[in-house]
Amino acid sequence: DTAVSQTPKYLVTQMGNDKSIKCEQNLGHDTMYWYKQDSKKFLKIMFSYNNKELIINETVPNRFSPKSPDKAHLNLHINSLELGDSAVYFCASSPLVTSGTYEQYFGPGTRLTVT
Amino acid sequence: RKEVEQDPGPFNVPEGATVAFNCTYSNSASQSFFWYRQDCRKEPKLLMSVYSSGNEDGRFTAQLNRASQYISLLIRDSKLSDSATYLCVVNEPDSWGKLQFGAGTQVVVTP
Repeated sequence: DTAVSQTPKYLVTQMGNDKSIKCEQNLGHDTMYWYKQDSKKFLKIMFSYNNKELIINETVPNRFSPKSPDKAHLNLHINSLELGDSAVYFCASSPLVTSGTYEQYFGPGTRLTVT
Repeated sequence: RKEVEQDPGPFNVPEGATVAFNCTYSNSASQSFFWYRQDCRKEPKLLMSVYSSGNEDGRFTAQLNRASQYISLLIRDSKLSDSATYLCVVNEPDSWGKLQFGAGTQVVVTP
């Protein structure tokens, strides 16, 4: 009964390839996020969707494209992968944020290695 | 200047001892504060929210000092399982729930 799940857990691919990561939450939350954690361990937000609508879009290369087919799912597609994209990507979710800031719950992460 | 700053540690703590550490935040308008813990190669997990009056959850006590813009975490009677990186997290005001994460403070509890 994983609350926030991500697939795949590990992803090893070559430069120039296109890959997708999927995320699903069964917490009934309205808001979902993608974070990147690099080798220096900083967690940086990339995107956020609130009930399928994009609400946060940080300075991320447009090779990264999120898609939210419904409020329980948030996928991340990455085109033309580069070495610098190697990192751990975490999905998270929280209750509706319009009335404040709530705790976020994280998925187990996808460890992406670009060779 | 980083939005949330933490001493990276490591804090080496004998089992059973008390350890405390702080983080500072830059935006005085922030209203929501959390401590998360992250084990090696795992996801961050919410440890506790931090309330204005300070709050306790078992062996963990969190304090907020708005005037000086810092948050503290104290762990009493440390267990080996408390070894982890503790992330200080602060909301970015008016930003649709955006959270700013510190880089973490590593705690190592030794037998």
